[in-house]
Amino acid sequence: QVQLQESGPGLVQPSETLSLTCTVTGGSISTTDLFWGWIRQPPGKGLEWIATIHYSGSTYYNPSLKSRVTISVDTSKNQFSLSLRSVTAADTAVYYCARHPFGKPFDFWGQGILVTVSS
Amino acid sequence: QTVVTQEPSFSVSPGGTVTLTCGLSSGSVSTNHYPSWYQQTPGQSPRPLIQTTSIRSSGVPDRFSGSILGSKAVLTITGAQADDESDYYCTLYVGNGMWVFGGGTKVTVL
Repeated sequence: QVQLQESGPGLVQPSETLSLTCTVTGGSISTTDLFWGWIRQPPGKGLEWIATIHYSGSTYYNPSLKSRVTISVDTSKNQFSLSLRSVTAADTAVYYCARHPFGKPFDFWGQGILVTVSS
Repeated sequence: QTVVTQEPSFSVSPGGTVTLTCGLSSGSVSTNHYPSWYQQTPGQSPRPLIQTTSIRSSGVPDRFSGSILGSKAVLTITGAQADDESDYYCTLYVGNGMWVFGGGTKVTVL
């Protein structure tokens, strides 16, 4: 069974860059029909899709975050990563990594990591 | 900017039926949006319930069903149980690799 695990700092300074990594186990990230994404959830609020990547390097971004976000993949480590620049308190959220097959929604999720933006 | 609409909250009696909806700010929901539903309890990751309109995810009880009714996707819980008390989110594929989540519906069973 595939498992996803987020990792990264739990506290980021305002105006700095938030960097997270998702490690995939139990399956290969380099599978043609699979896409890998990041979703976040501010405390007490709903889910927001951030970005998705295919192992080939194709990327897709939420237009509202596109100017600050980069998603990347490292197939040799079976990992993909998120970089969110110029963070503010509004970026405080639980960040989830997840997988979705082509044409289907996100079916496997990580446990999530709380990232707080504060000085 | 595409907005996906959901009712903020619903209350249902144990054993009762509740229907949650998922709409689009512009236009109708169709199967091309691959409407899908998630259940989330506090502190947990979202659990996939329904994918691509009506397909139940593995292990999901058959009291959960999905469909498209009129211009919206719907999630119906038939014979609600206490542990169905959760937040429910829908998501739609809006093209060009992009997904949008609804704001979620909080379901109370009482």
